[in-house]
Amino acid sequence: DAGITQSPRYKITETGRQVTLMCHQTWSHSYMFWYRQDLGHGLRLIYYSAAADITDKGEVPDGYVVSRSKTENFPLTLESATRSQTSVYFCASSASSKNTEAFFGQGTRLTVV
Amino acid sequence: GENVEQHPSTLSVQEGDSAVIKCTYSDSASNYFPWYKQELGKRPQLIIDIRSNVGEKKDQRIAVTLNKTAKHFSLHITETQPEDSAVYFCAASIKRYSTLTFGKGTMLLVSP
Repeated sequence: DAGITQSPRYKITETGRQVTLMCHQTWSHSYMFWYRQDLGHGLRLIYYSAAADITDKGEVPDGYVVSRSKTENFPLTLESATRSQTSVYFCASSASSKNTEAFFGQGTRLTVV
Repeated sequence: GENVEQHPSTLSVQEGDSAVIKCTYSDSASNYFPWYKQELGKRPQLIIDIRSNVGEKKDQRIAVTLNKTAKHFSLHITETQPEDSAVYFCAASIKRYSTLTFGKGTMLLVSP
């Protein structure tokens, strides 16, 4: 039961570098999401996708880019990493728009130095 | 957009006591309200959810209530156990967008 997996689990990068976080799901879920989790802020939506080639901004999209060329993959790219992007990033997926359960990946802890 | 407020931010109880976590939401169009539990270093996992056409839902020791008029919903955990210790997040969703807006979380500590 692979489900939804993220890679890498941990990443340290330098300010100004580009970094890509990967997310892969095996359920053929239509919807995929990227959240960041910071102390005192809970989980905040960065970007989401309703289907392949359809993406939209969430609450905190600045500095991030996403793509979804295949249903099962939803990579998140930080074009030029900043220290404020140090966070734990969670990818999630859900089957449809009919308020079904969102399943989360195990998270990626990103540190920007 | 939707705004979800969650209280308290921390909650300490003795084993066997009940725990209540409360959330309010701002958008009357929200119609799906899940609760997630996150243990330290783990991913959030759904523990219970409720839809806007239901006022209360129970699953063993866990229950959720929804007051649409007041835009409040609450998580109730009875007979708490040390393994209930975790961070709990409420969330709200508007059906047509399928995105979840989360509260900031409640750290529940259950002491033996």
